[in-house]
Amino acid sequence: QVQLVESGGGVVQPGRSLRLSCATSGFTFTSFGMYWVRQAPGKGLEWVAVISSDGSKKYNTDSVKGRFTISRDDSKNTLYLLMNSLRAEDTAVYYCAKTTTNMIRGPLDYWGQGTLVTVSS
Amino acid sequence: DIQMTQSPSSLSASVGDRVTITCQASQDITNYLNWYQQKPGKAPKLLIYDAFNLETGVPSRFSGGGSGTDFTFTISSLQPEDIATYYCQQYDNLPLTFGGGTKVEIK
Repeated sequence: QVQLVESGGGVVQPGRSLRLSCATSGFTFTSFGMYWVRQAPGKGLEWVAVISSDGSKKYNTDSVKGRFTISRDDSKNTLYLLMNSLRAEDTAVYYCAKTTTNMIRGPLDYWGQGTLVTVSS
Repeated sequence: DIQMTQSPSSLSASVGDRVTITCQASQDITNYLNWYQQKPGKAPKLLIYDAFNLETGVPSRFSGGGSGTDFTFTISSLQPEDIATYYCQQYDNLPLTFGGGTKVEIK
């Protein structure tokens, strides 16, 4: 069955970096676009970043441009999010999710359980 | 950016009631509209994709409709396990955007 398992969250000071990982299994990783979506405590869902199935297209939401980088390692079936220059407003549960297509846009049919990132001094 | 306006933000209904949530896009998104269910402490779950298609395994009491800018999500007969927050989401254009969510409670 399809599984997505995030890791790498934790408490980090403002300005520091963190790398999230999303280990996947149960589907052909190279066939699907992959997303990071976050949810601040008590708030709604916010798209963070997307990468196409072949890794050639990557997009971030404006609030993380220049700070966050999405990438994928197809040999490990793993998605990453490198987060630099973290701010208090980046505090959230971060979910990875797969699309139903190889494109960068599509319904998100499987999600991980989420990993909590807390940015605090 | 495409804004998604979802209403109501919360509702309380009895078991067996018909529940309807609306979602309005700030511009035409044809049918690139999905609905998700999120239970407390859990990841979102895709229920409806492309406005009206039921995801595999999702009970038929859930349905979606609409196109263009106006969309609806309906639970035909509310069950206790449907207590959750529901989100619409457009994928016509980046950035992907979500509605603000509708928290559904049992009266």
